[in-house]
Amino acid sequence: NAGVTQTPKFQVLKTGQSMTLQCAQDMNHEYMSWYRQDPGMGLRLIHYSVGAGITDQGEVPNGYNVSRSTTEDFPLRLLSAAPSQTSVYFCASSRSLAGAFNEQFFGPGTRLTVL
Amino acid sequence: AQSVTQLGSHVSVSEGALVLLRCNYSSSVPPYLFWYVQYPNQGLQLLLKYTSAATLVKGINGFEAEFKKSETSFHLTKPSAHMSDAAEYFCAVTDGGSGGSNYKLTFGKGTLLTVNP
Repeated sequence: NAGVTQTPKFQVLKTGQSMTLQCAQDMNHEYMSWYRQDPGMGLRLIHYSVGAGITDQGEVPNGYNVSRSTTEDFPLRLLSAAPSQTSVYFCASSRSLAGAFNEQFFGPGTRLTVL
Repeated sequence: AQSVTQLGSHVSVSEGALVLLRCNYSSSVPPYLFWYVQYPNQGLQLLLKYTSAATLVKGINGFEAEFKKSETSFHLTKPSAHMSDAAEYFCAVTDGGSGGSNYKLTFGKGTLLTVNP
């Protein structure tokens, strides 16, 4: 299994540009989520999904959109990038069986810089 | 709402010394608690988790943590630090609520562990 994969690894955008961060998992996990990591802030939840067709907002959803058309993929869209979105983005997935104590598996991250 | 506080953003120890990374949680329901490790330029990897089965939890790489409800703490320890333990460590909590909320991890701000030779 490849686990959780993310593309691209690095990206530089100009303010106002749009882009999609890709996330895929091959473990048939129902739950997927996106976090951003900023220095001294830990990881903060952006959006999450408990299954195909179901998404919900996390702690910091503004400026980001998500959709979940398949179990495997959970892309994160930045519609109009802002310098405040400069961060490292992590995708994670887990099984849904009896929920909360299932390990979340993290991807390697995408480092995004918005100029 | 649940929250996690990690005391000390940076901890420095000598190789062979005890490692103690502190985590206190706040939760209105019995929590599930986790420690993750992040090596430089990598994603997060689970070290250990508490799910109410036992208060002393053993994880990978010789780490363990003890859940103390009276102190609302879940401190991470390792008896003898190794150079390879140098990384950032995150404590996280989720509650046992229904639906999607029980998957939402709330992370502490992290503690960077430096191991000196």
